[in-house]
Amino acid sequence: KAGVTQTPRYLIKTRGQQVTLSCSPISGHRSVSWYQQTPGQGLQFLFEYFSETQRNKGNFPGRFSGRQFSNSRSEMNVSTLELGDSALYLCASSERLGQVHEQYFGPGTRLTVT
Amino acid sequence: AQSVTQLGSHVSVSEGALVLLRCNYSSSVPPYLFWYVQYPNQGLQLLLKYTSAATLVKGINGFEAEFKKSETSFHLTKPSAHMSDAAEYFCAVTDSSYKLIFGSGTRLLVRP
Repeated sequence: KAGVTQTPRYLIKTRGQQVTLSCSPISGHRSVSWYQQTPGQGLQFLFEYFSETQRNKGNFPGRFSGRQFSNSRSEMNVSTLELGDSALYLCASSERLGQVHEQYFGPGTRLTVT
Repeated sequence: AQSVTQLGSHVSVSEGALVLLRCNYSSSVPPYLFWYVQYPNQGLQLLLKYTSAATLVKGINGFEAEFKKSETSFHLTKPSAHMSDAAEYFCAVTDSSYKLIFGSGTRLLVRP
């Protein structure tokens, strides 16, 4: 099976713009979680989607949003980008909701905000 | 609330030496515990996990970890370090809503 894929792998945006990142889970996986990784804050949970519905949410402002499509692919969007949003954004998929012990991570999208 | 503390942001060992990366957790419920490895410009790869079965857990690449409830620890070990083990290692615990809570990471340096 192909692993979790994320596109694009690298992205440079300007402060104030918005950005959309994409994640395709492993075939058959229906849950997708997103994490932000920064040098200062480390790895932090953003949200989890299952069956096209957000099921879990971390402590991030409303500028961070996401969605999931019927084929389980997920996108996350960040509006009004700030310099502090520069990070590696990781997505992870699992077969079922909350199945963190069987979660597989993608390679990440590195976002740089200038 | 669950939390994870990784002692030592950097650990340096010689090739062939024992690797010991420390992780202590805090959890109000029986935890699931994990160790992940991250190579430069890559995502996270699961090394091993504890899910309330055997307390000594064996993972990939010769790593293992022991769950010690009395010490609230889940330290990662490998008997003999290899140059390819140089990476960043993250300990993680699940919280009650089944999301992962990560430690701050330990960068392992392996000297030739």
